[in-house]
Amino acid sequence: GAGVSQSPSNKVTEKGKDVELRCDPISGHTALYWYRQSLGQGLEFLIYFQGNSAPDKSGLPSDRFSAERTGGSVSTLTIQRTQQEDSAVYLCASSLDRVANEQFFGPGTRLTVL
Amino acid sequence: KNEVEQSPQNLTAQEGEFITINCSYSVGISALHWLQQHPGGGIVSLFMLSSGKKKHGRLIAPINIQEKHSSLHITASHPRDSAVYICAVKFISGSARQLTFGSGTQLTVLP
Repeated sequence: GAGVSQSPSNKVTEKGKDVELRCDPISGHTALYWYRQSLGQGLEFLIYFQGNSAPDKSGLPSDRFSAERTGGSVSTLTIQRTQQEDSAVYLCASSLDRVANEQFFGPGTRLTVL
Repeated sequence: KNEVEQSPQNLTAQEGEFITINCSYSVGISALHWLQQHPGGGIVSLFMLSSGKKKHGRLIAPINIQEKHSSLHITASHPRDSAVYICAVKFISGSARQLTFGSGTQLTVLP
């Protein structure tokens, strides 16, 4: 596709359930980022993938959060045992390589934990 | 501490006015990004710069490395410019991979 795509666009879940959010980066982009934007808050870095290197997980808020990137392309962000404070818009972005390059953002997944 | 500050937090202008949004950061950076987030949530990268000035249409973004400051100027503002504008930087001293974001400026341009 022409841009970064994410699915689902909206997800409503009950507290305690697990959720998976998907990101399809732009073809050929080796760098992929996950961010979170809570209501009324700024963007918060979660995790970064660059090629085959070990991901930078320094932004993950707890061990309930994990992400993987298979085949250097599609990425899945998993939140286990969701809590109400996990409610946010989860944004994915990709860039050609290093973080200094322009990042292209997906439309985001709005997660609501009831 | 690596910090990014934006001002103002909110800005309302009349159509046609010249808009300035400011971004200051605490320590040296390798790159600064200006992003635009529309009411629907989509984020678009406007500029990425490390020195000098960039211009695209009615948008101009200079950066002053010595003063650790960048501005986003919008000339002849239009209601369709209404959005949240976000400054993000890649600090030299921080993680090699992540951006640090400002809190954003909510711009409303009235017709």
